[in-house]
Amino acid sequence: GDSVTQMEGPVTLSEEAFLTINCTYTATGYPSLFWYVQYPGEGLQLLLKATKADDKGSNKGFEATYRKETTSFHLEKGSVQVSDSAVYFCALTRGGGATNKLIFGTGTLLAVQP
Amino acid sequence: EAQVTQNPRYLITVTGKKLTVTCSQNMNHEYMSWYRQDPGLGLRQIYYSMNVEVTDKGDVPEGYKVSRKEKRNFPLILESPSPNQTSLYFCASSFSGGSSYEQYFGPGTRLTVT
Repeated sequence: GDSVTQMEGPVTLSEEAFLTINCTYTATGYPSLFWYVQYPGEGLQLLLKATKADDKGSNKGFEATYRKETTSFHLEKGSVQVSDSAVYFCALTRGGGATNKLIFGTGTLLAVQP
Repeated sequence: EAQVTQNPRYLITVTGKKLTVTCSQNMNHEYMSWYRQDPGLGLRQIYYSMNVEVTDKGDVPEGYKVSRKEKRNFPLILESPSPNQTSLYFCASSFSGGSSYEQYFGPGTRLTVT
């Protein structure tokens, strides 16, 4: 079945460091790919998305590119801030599916130190 | 303000005592779903609803019930809670008919069953 694998955390970085969180997926068809972020004590918020191969999603300085050849959707940010500390989830929905069901990775905790 | 609300936010109960977690959205979304979040497992879908009076099982439906009598509300019912249902629960909603639609999440309900 469809699945998402993302790098285990926690990831601890200093402020202004470069961030990469790896995400790979297994899916039939042409899934849409998402990164959601969960700040402490809050629900999930959509960070960015990409709906077809080679699309780049971007928001708040974060970027991820839909790579069909490597089935990957790695999250990157050039300079992290303390306020970026959160749990990041990679997720997919199956393209053309009737249900909109999100299939999530296990989440990666990012801690940014001043 | 567009939002998904859940109540209660925190609940401690005992085995076998029926409970209901409410979910409401104000965005006129057709699609609503419930997820549970457990450490190391990410989020898993419990039930979903494509529209009023249309519900179906997700990946982990055992021990749960749902109903969709109105478009805005999608309560989650635990008829006889057990300790293995201790978890963090999220309700989500979106427009249906396309797998790339953003899903909006509620703030979560932390349930402890003793």
